Amino acid sequence: RKEVEQDPGPFNVPEGATVAFNCTYSNSASQSFFWYRQDCRKEPKLLMSVYSSGNEDGRFTAQLNRASQYISLLIRDSKLSDSATYLCVVIGGMSLPPKLNYGGSQGNLIFGKGTKLSVKP
Amino acid sequence: DAGITQSPRHKVTETGTPVTLRCHQTENHRYMYWYRQDPGHGLRLIHYSYGVKDTDKGEVSDGYSVSRSKTEDFLLTLESATSSQTSVYFCAISARQVDNEQFFGPGTRLTVL
Repeated sequence: RKEVEQDPGPFNVPEGATVAFNCTYSNSASQSFFWYRQDCRKEPKLLMSVYSSGNEDGRFTAQLNRASQYISLLIRDSKLSDSATYLCVVIGGMSLPPKLNYGGSQGNLIFGKGTKLSVKP
Repeated sequence: DAGITQSPRHKVTETGTPVTLRCHQTENHRYMYWYRQDPGHGLRLIHYSYGVKDTDKGEVSDGYSVSRSKTEDFLLTLESATSSQTSVYFCAISARQVDNEQFFGPGTRLTVL
């Protein structure tokens, strides 16, 4: 099983639709989770962190399911501007040398390959 | 937007030539990272730095070296470029360790012929 897995999509949805993505991770000791957004030929940008209790930011809701080892991202009322690739990021896969662990979380930051979303008019 | 620039933004070079990519930040963040992004692989960590002159290897460090002589600059060097190093290279910074938000530079598209 790969460390972080995402359905590559594409998810093609009409404007106004609700869409959800899942991301599974293999290391049960993983501690921190994020969703990044990456537009075509641009750099990734943090969309939201994922907390154990779940969190919401406007039309976006992120959830963590530790028992089943996945995180999810729900987008309500999709906009054309939501079209992008959504990257799942997990802290805590293969450990890097202690220097990266200084002062806090262990393990390195692992990116999923991304899920492509296309919102159509 | 975080103050991160990368140079050059695009480069085409030939196999066997040395190449240096520069990442410059104005945020005074301690941690800096170099990633490469390839279709089918996602983002992979090449090297990272946790302070001036403090660097270490990431997941895919073979064929790459880095240097950080100042807080604001992190250089990635391909000593002898190969076609397998054709990729998009992103620099990232963070104020704290990996569980802190990483801000990415605009990327460098490198083609090795």
